[in-house]
Amino acid sequence: QQQVKQSPQSLIVQKGGISIINCAYENTAFDYFPWYQQFPGKGPALLIAIRPDVSEKKEGRFTISFNKSAKQFSLHIMDSQPGDSATYFCAARRATGANNLFFGTGTRLTVIP
Amino acid sequence: DTEVTQTPKHLVMGMTNKKSLKCEQHMGHRAMYWYKQKAKKPPELMFVYSYEKLSINESVPSRFSPECPNSSLLNLHLHALQPEDSALYLCASSQDLAAYRGQFFGPGTRLTVL
Repeated sequence: QQQVKQSPQSLIVQKGGISIINCAYENTAFDYFPWYQQFPGKGPALLIAIRPDVSEKKEGRFTISFNKSAKQFSLHIMDSQPGDSATYFCAARRATGANNLFFGTGTRLTVIP
Repeated sequence: DTEVTQTPKHLVMGMTNKKSLKCEQHMGHRAMYWYKQKAKKPPELMFVYSYEKLSINESVPSRFSPECPNSSLLNLHLHALQPEDSALYLCASSQDLAAYRGQFFGPGTRLTVL
């Protein structure tokens, strides 16, 4: 079954707007939540990551919000730019085990000029 | 050097061919991974190596054979593949398997099986 659920499947945002992508999980053993950005024909690039003892992490225009009690986390992209157009994957990993990531299904973001 | 490199970028092979994919990192990472990614899908884990030893094999068919010759190199040997094996094959590495370790992906090899 899908361990990490991601929505929306696709998102269109105007340049300068805020893009919001949401993820939810059930397994309370997850302890690390990275976001990846992938351009067509390229490998995923680690964008930003958060641990469950923190409710928010910001790096430049990218912010992760984490709600441990609701088992949800989201990526906010402020001042979205056409160059942000890509597929975004959330992921989660267990505290014990082999560091294998459980990926969400991906969100295709299009930022319109 | 903060990148993972993969060769070749593209590979076309017949079902009877034997080929190999190569991955290299010089970040001193001791964990390396192979993923398979189909179009518009997330990466699926295939194998995990930790300190050059196979740690995880996610029930991958034996026509895929991984090899880790040293801490910087990871190979994926391919034999008797099927057309449905056509995909983007991604290599990744992380410092080790401990907590809070980000995985860094290479650009991938686009494999087409005819």
